[in-house]
Amino acid sequence: DAGVTQSPTHLIKTRGQQVTLRCSPKSGHDTVSWYQQALGQGPQFIFQYYEEEERQRGNFPDRFSGHQFPNYSSELNVNALLLGDSALYLCASSGLTGVTEAFFGQGTRLTVV
Amino acid sequence: GNSVTQMEGPVTLSEEAFLTINCTYTATGYPSLFWYVQYPGEGLQLLLKATKADDKGSNKGFEATYRKETTSFHLEKGSVQVSDSAVYFCALSALTGANNLFFGTGTRLTVIP
Repeated sequence: DAGVTQSPTHLIKTRGQQVTLRCSPKSGHDTVSWYQQALGQGPQFIFQYYEEEERQRGNFPDRFSGHQFPNYSSELNVNALLLGDSALYLCASSGLTGVTEAFFGQGTRLTVV
Repeated sequence: GNSVTQMEGPVTLSEEAFLTINCTYTATGYPSLFWYVQYPGEGLQLLLKATKADDKGSNKGFEATYRKETTSFHLEKGSVQVSDSAVYFCALSALTGANNLFFGTGTRLTVIP
């Protein structure tokens, strides 16, 4: 059973560019959340997708947007990249009902230069 | 609001020493509490969890008890191994689901032979 998979693993972008990160949830999971982990910090919640809609959102600007597809996979898009967007972006999946584990992918390391 | 305060690191211990990493939280409602571990170059892995007051989560020799009266969820292990070297994150989830997690800043543990 494949766990949560993310692509790409590493990415270098120039300030002002746009980036798309991808995530496939663990089999049987229908809910995907995205987190940003700056160096030396804990992950911070960006948003959560369920049934192809954004259900919850953390304190991130509109430059951060996402999408969930009918097969539950998800994309995170970041527009007008800033140097401060450099971080590890983590995707987590779970079932929405009840309190269940969140399984994390290995992340995408984004560097903005 | 929801927040987690975690013991500052780094922590360096000799093999077989006793480990305690302190974690306290602030939350509305009745959160679930988690400890995640992040090994070098990897994503987060759930170590243990507790979903209600006085629950004890345990896994791989690690334990933590959900203390509502002190709003704490301290992580303990009686005898650490070199393989336990990693970054440990305390996290909470509001009642609405396990995928909107609030993380502490992490504690880096290094175990020396």
